[in-house]
Amino acid sequence: AQSVTQPDIHITVSEGASLELRCNYSYGATPYLFWYVQSPGQGLQLLLKYFSGDTLVQGIKGFEAEFKRSQSSFNLRKPSVHWSDAAEYFCAVGFNAGGTSYGKLTFGQGTILTVHP
Amino acid sequence: KAGVTQTPRYLIKTRGQQVTLSCSPISGHRSVSWYQQTPGQGLQFLFEYFSETQRNKGNFPGRFSGRQFSNSRSEMNVSTLELGDSALYLCASSREGRLGLDTQYFGPGTRLTVL
Repeated sequence: AQSVTQPDIHITVSEGASLELRCNYSYGATPYLFWYVQSPGQGLQLLLKYFSGDTLVQGIKGFEAEFKRSQSSFNLRKPSVHWSDAAEYFCAVGFNAGGTSYGKLTFGQGTILTVHP
Repeated sequence: KAGVTQTPRYLIKTRGQQVTLSCSPISGHRSVSWYQQTPGQGLQFLFEYFSETQRNKGNFPGRFSGRQFSNSRSEMNVSTLELGDSALYLCASSREGRLGLDTQYFGPGTRLTVL
Protein backbone atom coordinates (compact mmCIF):
# COMPACT_ATOMS: atom_id res chain seq x y z
CA ALA A 1 0.00 0.00 0.00
CA GLN A 2 1.11 3.53 -0.65
CA SER A 3 2.43 5.59 2.25
CA VAL A 4 3.65 9.09 2.92
CA THR A 5 6.26 9.98 5.51
CA GLN A 6 6.98 13.38 6.94
CA PRO A 7 10.01 12.74 9.15
CA ASP A 8 9.82 16.00 11.08
CA ILE A 9 6.93 16.31 13.51
CA HIS A 10 7.86 19.82 14.61
CA ILE A 11 10.20 22.41 13.09
CA THR A 12 11.10 25.79 14.55
CA VAL A 13 12.65 28.55 12.47
CA SER A 14 13.29 32.24 12.90
CA GLU A 15 11.40 34.75 10.85
CA GLY A 16 13.32 35.48 7.68
CA ALA A 17 15.14 32.14 7.71
CA SER A 18 14.78 29.59 4.95
CA LEU A 19 12.58 26.54 5.35
CA GLU A 20 12.56 23.00 4.02
CA LEU A 21 9.90 20.45 5.01
CA ARG A 22 10.58 16.88 4.01
CA CYS A 23 8.20 14.40 2.43
CA ASN A 24 8.88 10.87 1.22
CA TYR A 25 6.41 8.55 -0.41
CA SER A 26 6.27 4.87 -1.11
CA TYR A 27 4.51 3.58 -4.20
CA GLY A 28 5.33 1.49 -7.22
CA ALA A 29 4.55 4.18 -9.77
CA THR A 30 4.80 7.94 -9.87
CA PRO A 31 2.16 9.41 -7.63
CA TYR A 32 0.56 12.80 -7.88
CA LEU A 33 1.81 14.97 -5.06
CA PHE A 34 0.32 17.77 -3.04
CA TRP A 35 1.20 20.05 -0.15
CA TYR A 36 -1.56 21.45 2.02
CA VAL A 37 -1.42 23.85 4.97
CA GLN A 38 -3.76 23.91 7.94
CA SER A 39 -4.11 26.74 10.44
CA PRO A 40 -5.50 25.87 13.88
CA GLY A 41 -9.17 24.93 13.73
CA GLN A 42 -9.31 25.35 9.98
CA GLY A 43 -9.57 23.15 6.93
CA LEU A 44 -6.75 22.41 4.51
CA GLN A 45 -5.55 24.94 1.97
CA LEU A 46 -3.72 23.74 -1.14
CA LEU A 47 -0.22 25.21 -1.46
CA LEU A 48 0.95 23.44 -4.61
CA LYS A 49 0.72 20.24 -6.60
CA TYR A 50 2.80 18.11 -8.94
CA PHE A 51 1.16 16.11 -11.67
CA SER A 52 3.85 15.89 -14.36
CA GLY A 53 6.40 17.96 -16.25
CA ASP A 54 8.80 20.35 -14.56
CA THR A 55 9.89 18.80 -11.28
CA LEU A 56 10.16 22.19 -9.56
CA VAL A 57 6.69 23.55 -8.89
CA GLN A 58 5.71 26.95 -7.60
CA GLY A 59 2.82 27.47 -5.24
CA ILE A 60 1.06 30.18 -3.34
CA LYS A 61 2.55 32.29 -0.57
CA GLY A 62 6.07 31.97 -2.01
CA PHE A 63 6.35 28.21 -1.51
CA GLU A 64 7.95 25.80 -3.96
CA ALA A 65 8.54 22.07 -4.00
CA GLU A 66 10.81 19.76 -5.92
CA PHE A 67 9.92 16.25 -7.02
CA LYS A 68 12.89 13.88 -6.98
CA ARG A 69 11.95 10.51 -8.37
CA SER A 70 15.26 8.87 -7.42
CA GLN A 71 14.72 9.79 -3.78
CA SER A 72 10.93 9.37 -3.74
CA SER A 73 10.75 12.82 -2.23
CA PHE A 74 8.71 15.98 -2.62
CA ASN A 75 10.20 18.53 -0.25
CA LEU A 76 8.60 21.90 0.36
CA ARG A 77 10.76 25.02 0.51
CA LYS A 78 10.48 28.70 1.18
CA PRO A 79 13.45 31.09 1.02
CA SER A 80 12.26 33.45 3.76
CA VAL A 81 9.65 32.50 6.34
CA HIS A 82 7.08 34.96 7.67
CA TRP A 83 5.41 34.74 11.09
CA SER A 84 2.10 34.09 9.32
CA ASP A 85 3.52 30.83 7.92
CA ALA A 86 3.21 29.20 11.34
CA ALA A 87 0.78 26.31 10.79
CA GLU A 88 0.73 22.58 10.18
CA TYR A 89 1.84 21.32 6.78
CA PHE A 90 0.70 18.11 5.15
CA CYS A 91 2.14 16.25 2.23
CA ALA A 92 -0.31 14.04 0.34
CA VAL A 93 -0.34 11.65 -2.59
CA GLY A 94 -3.11 10.76 -4.97
CA PHE A 95 -3.38 8.28 -7.82
CA ASN A 96 -5.36 7.90 -10.98
CA ALA A 97 -5.92 4.18 -11.10
CA GLY A 98 -9.67 4.00 -10.74
CA GLY A 99 -11.26 1.87 -8.07
CA THR A 100 -9.65 2.43 -4.71
CA SER A 101 -7.92 5.60 -5.86
CA TYR A 102 -11.05 7.63 -6.55
CA GLY A 103 -11.21 10.75 -4.43
CA LYS A 104 -8.63 9.46 -1.99
CA LEU A 105 -5.57 11.30 -0.80
CA THR A 106 -3.10 9.59 1.49
CA PHE A 107 -1.59 12.05 3.91
CA GLY A 108 1.59 12.22 5.90
CA GLN A 109 1.38 12.82 9.64
CA GLY A 110 2.05 16.52 9.24
CA THR A 111 4.80 18.91 10.29
CA ILE A 112 4.05 21.70 12.73
CA LEU A 113 5.95 24.86 11.90
CA THR A 114 6.71 27.38 14.63
CA VAL A 115 8.16 30.74 13.64
CA HIS A 116 10.15 32.77 16.14
CA PRO A 117 10.26 36.56 15.74
CA LYS B 1 -16.63 31.12 -6.70
CA ALA B 2 -17.76 29.89 -3.29
CA GLY B 3 -15.62 27.28 -1.59
CA VAL B 4 -16.59 24.04 0.07
CA THR B 5 -19.00 24.63 2.93
CA GLN B 6 -19.70 22.35 5.86
CA THR B 7 -22.42 22.51 8.46
CA PRO B 8 -22.52 22.57 11.36
CA ARG B 9 -19.06 23.77 12.30
CA TYR B 10 -19.24 22.41 15.83
CA LEU B 11 -21.26 19.62 17.34
CA ILE B 12 -21.43 18.00 20.76
CA LYS B 13 -23.10 14.63 21.16
CA THR B 14 -23.20 11.88 23.75
CA ARG B 15 -22.23 8.25 23.35
CA GLY B 16 -24.81 6.16 21.60
CA GLN B 17 -26.37 9.03 19.68
CA GLN B 18 -26.15 9.47 15.94
CA VAL B 19 -25.05 12.50 13.98
CA THR B 20 -25.37 13.84 10.43
CA LEU B 21 -22.88 16.21 8.88
CA SER B 22 -23.44 18.14 5.68
CA CYS B 23 -21.13 19.25 2.88
CA SER B 24 -21.78 21.47 -0.13
CA PRO B 25 -19.08 21.18 -2.80
CA ILE B 26 -17.71 23.86 -5.07
CA SER B 27 -20.08 24.55 -7.95
CA GLY B 28 -19.34 22.18 -10.82
CA HIS B 29 -17.60 19.62 -8.63
CA ARG B 30 -19.24 16.22 -8.66
CA SER B 31 -16.86 14.28 -6.41
CA VAL B 32 -17.10 14.63 -2.64
CA SER B 33 -14.71 12.90 -0.25
CA TRP B 34 -14.82 12.74 3.52
CA TYR B 35 -11.87 12.51 5.91
CA GLN B 36 -11.54 12.08 9.64
CA GLN B 37 -8.74 13.95 11.39
CA THR B 38 -7.60 13.00 14.89
CA PRO B 39 -4.37 13.75 16.77
CA GLY B 40 -3.52 10.06 17.00
CA GLN B 41 -4.42 8.77 13.55
CA GLY B 42 -3.99 11.91 11.49
CA LEU B 43 -6.03 12.37 8.32
CA GLN B 44 -7.85 9.24 7.23
CA PHE B 45 -10.04 8.75 4.18
CA LEU B 46 -13.62 7.74 4.92
CA PHE B 47 -15.34 7.51 1.52
CA GLU B 48 -15.93 9.22 -1.80
CA TYR B 49 -19.13 9.89 -3.69
CA PHE B 50 -19.62 10.74 -7.35
CA SER B 51 -22.93 11.16 -9.10
CA GLU B 52 -24.79 9.86 -6.04
CA THR B 53 -22.73 6.65 -5.95
CA GLN B 54 -20.11 5.61 -3.45
CA ARG B 55 -17.04 4.74 -5.48
CA ASN B 56 -14.44 4.32 -2.81
CA LYS B 57 -14.39 3.54 0.87
CA GLY B 58 -11.74 3.59 3.59
CA ASN B 59 -11.29 1.24 6.50
CA PHE B 60 -13.99 2.43 8.84
CA PRO B 61 -16.78 0.44 10.52
CA GLY B 62 -20.27 0.33 9.08
CA ARG B 63 -21.42 2.91 11.62
CA PHE B 64 -19.97 5.47 9.23
CA SER B 65 -22.10 6.02 6.17
CA GLY B 66 -22.80 8.69 3.65
CA ARG B 67 -24.84 9.71 0.69
CA GLN B 68 -24.83 12.21 -2.10
CA PHE B 69 -27.72 14.07 -3.62
CA SER B 70 -28.40 14.99 -7.23
CA ASN B 71 -27.02 18.50 -6.66
CA SER B 72 -23.73 16.91 -5.44
CA ARG B 73 -24.29 17.92 -1.83
CA SER B 74 -23.25 15.17 0.51
CA GLU B 75 -24.02 14.04 4.03
CA MET B 76 -22.24 11.65 6.28
CA ASN B 77 -23.81 9.88 9.20
CA VAL B 78 -22.28 8.25 12.22
CA SER B 79 -24.53 6.01 14.25
CA THR B 80 -24.04 4.78 17.81
CA LEU B 81 -21.36 7.33 18.56
CA GLU B 82 -18.29 6.31 20.52
CA LEU B 83 -15.83 8.51 22.37
CA GLY B 84 -13.22 7.71 19.74
CA ASP B 85 -15.36 9.32 17.05
CA SER B 86 -14.45 12.74 18.42
CA ALA B 87 -12.59 14.35 15.55
CA LEU B 88 -12.51 17.02 12.90
CA TYR B 89 -14.45 15.77 9.89
CA LEU B 90 -13.32 17.31 6.63
CA CYS B 91 -15.13 17.30 3.38
CA ALA B 92 -13.31 17.83 0.07
CA SER B 93 -14.59 18.29 -3.45
CA SER B 94 -13.07 17.90 -6.88
CA ARG B 95 -14.41 17.84 -10.42
CA GLU B 96 -14.29 14.10 -10.94
CA GLY B 97 -12.23 12.61 -8.12
CA ARG B 98 -9.43 11.48 -10.42
CA LEU B 99 -6.65 12.82 -8.26
CA GLY B 100 -3.96 12.29 -10.83
CA LEU B 101 -5.68 14.91 -12.96
CA ASP B 102 -7.80 16.75 -10.46
CA THR B 103 -7.35 18.73 -7.26
CA GLN B 104 -9.26 18.38 -4.02
CA TYR B 105 -10.41 21.48 -2.20
CA PHE B 106 -11.27 21.21 1.46
CA GLY B 107 -13.97 22.73 3.60
CA PRO B 108 -13.38 24.17 7.07
CA GLY B 109 -14.49 20.98 8.78
CA THR B 110 -17.00 19.99 11.43
CA ARG B 111 -15.59 19.54 14.92
CA LEU B 112 -17.46 16.65 16.57
CA THR B 113 -17.09 16.08 20.29
CA VAL B 114 -18.56 12.93 21.82
CA LEU B 115 -19.12 12.99 25.58
